[in-house]
Amino acid sequence: NAGVMQNPRHLVRRRGQEARLRCSPMKGHSHVYWYRQLPEEGLKFMVYLQKENIIDESGMPKERFSAEFPKEGPSILRIQQVVRGDSAAYFCASSPSLITSNQPQHFGDGTRLSIL
Amino acid sequence: KQEVTQIPAALSVPEGENLVLNCSFTDSAIYNLQWFRQDPGKGLTSLLLIQSSQREQTSGRLNASLDKSSGRSTLYIAASQPGDSATYLCAVGTSGSRLTFGEGTQLTVNP
Repeated sequence: NAGVMQNPRHLVRRRGQEARLRCSPMKGHSHVYWYRQLPEEGLKFMVYLQKENIIDESGMPKERFSAEFPKEGPSILRIQQVVRGDSAAYFCASSPSLITSNQPQHFGDGTRLSIL
Repeated sequence: KQEVTQIPAALSVPEGENLVLNCSFTDSAIYNLQWFRQDPGKGLTSLLLIQSSQREQTSGRLNASLDKSSGRSTLYIAASQPGDSATYLCAVGTSGSRLTFGEGTQLTVNP
């Protein structure tokens, strides 16, 4: 499977717990983006990472949210002390290059996070 | 700050009709523009990408146009089919690589 892989597909957490969302980019892609889609809203950019570097985190909430893309392994979006308002679909996308404008971002199927 | 608007929010048509979905953006300094399809509970499928230097792209029954100066793009779907029913998203790429999305047009094609 050459696509962007996200897991889990569905995640249920109680308020105050931690949520970890994983994203494996397409083979050969070194750029990862996270987006959040709140109920009845459009997708909003959260963070852009390259291997071991956060390039743009201007869309990330200032507290409780963090992201990493280590040298080995998937990118992780971590949400600490989850609240009901964190319930959303979280999408990961990847691309092979920043430089060329003809490179589309390829999206995974998302993780649906539900907070009880 | 880039803002993307899609009109209409929802559209219902009989099978076989040709239709146009509209997307407008506020900042013309774009890198590219992508049209996506999203099925309920699913991820995004990239349909067409138009680079900022291009005016249109075609794939099968789909044609997307771009007018940077006026901040507009259209997605034309020819001979619509029930399988085309989905939400169509327009997304504008900037040099920072982030995509700014519209809220989508929910399309229903009735048999």
